[in-house]
Amino acid sequence: GENVEQHPSTLSVQEGDSAVIKCTYSDSASNYFPWYKQELGKRPQLIIDIRSNVGEKKDQRIAVTLNKTAKHFSLHITETQPEDSAVYFCAASISGNTPLVFGKGTRLSVIA
Amino acid sequence: EAGVAQSPRYKIIEKRQSVAFWCNPISGHATLYWYQQILGQGPKLLIQFQNNGVVDDSQLPKDRFSAERLKGVDSTLKIQPAKLEDSAVYLCASSSSAGSDTQYFGPGTRLTVL
Repeated sequence: GENVEQHPSTLSVQEGDSAVIKCTYSDSASNYFPWYKQELGKRPQLIIDIRSNVGEKKDQRIAVTLNKTAKHFSLHITETQPEDSAVYFCAASISGNTPLVFGKGTRLSVIA
Repeated sequence: EAGVAQSPRYKIIEKRQSVAFWCNPISGHATLYWYQQILGQGPKLLIQFQNNGVVDDSQLPKDRFSAERLKGVDSTLKIQPAKLEDSAVYLCASSSSAGSDTQYFGPGTRLTVL
């Protein structure tokens, strides 16, 4: 089955700097890759996703890149703000309403 | 649109007791998932429903866990008897069957087994 590895497990950045979180996956059949943000005690919230026919996607300060050949995808947050502090999870699935396989998460701390 | 609702939000029980969690998905969402999130880890699938049918329960510990979605809307997840290692947050998620991959999560139920 699918296995998703996520790095780093913790990340501290200064406010205004960029943050990058990387994930690798094992199943070449996977073609849907969402990123979720989870604040303490709250539900996971989808922040961006990418599908295998797209190499990069941006939404304001957030971007995701996908390299299907290497089976890895990354989350980039620019101009980080204190409210970006949270745990971020990457996930992978075969599209069409199939279960997500999650990475173990990255705890991002943005220091003001 | 209203989000995924779950109750209770918190539950504390003794080991060997039973417990049940309830989930109400987003209106019209045919697909419903239950995930288990152990502290410090990502969510892990327990079971997936499509309408009132089970699609994937390969990771559900069936000796103690059961789930149902009788009318294809609300779902309940039950643990009987609970073990210490069942302490976790139980997340319900739903998605539309109309070709959308996006899964929307509920707030979760935090279970503590003593």
